[in-house]
Amino acid sequence: GQQVQQSPASLVLQEGENAELQCNFSTSLNSMQWFYQRPGGSLVSLFYNPSGTKHSGRLTSTTVIKERRSSLHISSSQTTDSGTYLCALGYTGYQNFYFGKGTSLTVIP
Amino acid sequence: NAGVIQTPRHKVTGKGQEATLWCEPISGHSAVFWYRQTIVQGLEFLTYFRNQAPIDDSGMPKERFSAQMPNQSHSTLKIQSTQPQDSAVYLCASSPLGGPNTGQLYFGEGSKLTVL
Repeated sequence: GQQVQQSPASLVLQEGENAELQCNFSTSLNSMQWFYQRPGGSLVSLFYNPSGTKHSGRLTSTTVIKERRSSLHISSSQTTDSGTYLCALGYTGYQNFYFGKGTSLTVIP
Repeated sequence: NAGVIQTPRHKVTGKGQEATLWCEPISGHSAVFWYRQTIVQGLEFLTYFRNQAPIDDSGMPKERFSAQMPNQSHSTLKIQSTQPQDSAVYLCASSPLGGPNTGQLYFGEGSKLTVL
């Protein structure tokens, strides 16, 4: 099956520090999405970014298909950023979406 | 746009009872997905419908679990003879197959099932 690797598995930051989350995949894709999930909460879409770079406030997503990777950069982290970040890949033909196991982020004040 | 609606939000059943979970996808979305999420296993794919037809149910336990999509406005996930290991949050997601948002997944709030 398709391989989706997220790193790091967990990350602890001091408030104000930056974070770089990675999602690596084994084959080419036509859909890439980053989600955020608070404990006990649902999945909130952060970015739909199958290629290139997108910005939203303190968040930046960059997907480089040739290198089979996507990253999520969080600048000036805040305690409210704590939670799990998941990437999901989709492929031509609209078959299933494939999820990474997530990065658990904890931001301490 | 109300988003993906899942009911009930919480359900508690006794071991051996039946549980039915409902999902209303976003209007106009042609693809509907069911996932199960636990702390131990993470997010697990269960099944996928496209234009109401079952496309991939490779993640469904072969016994006791069934899913249907009788019309474009709702899908159901039924678990017969529930077991404690079925306790999880069941998430439904929909996706458009055309238009500017094609390829994006939209999740509901989830249905938390607890089997005592």
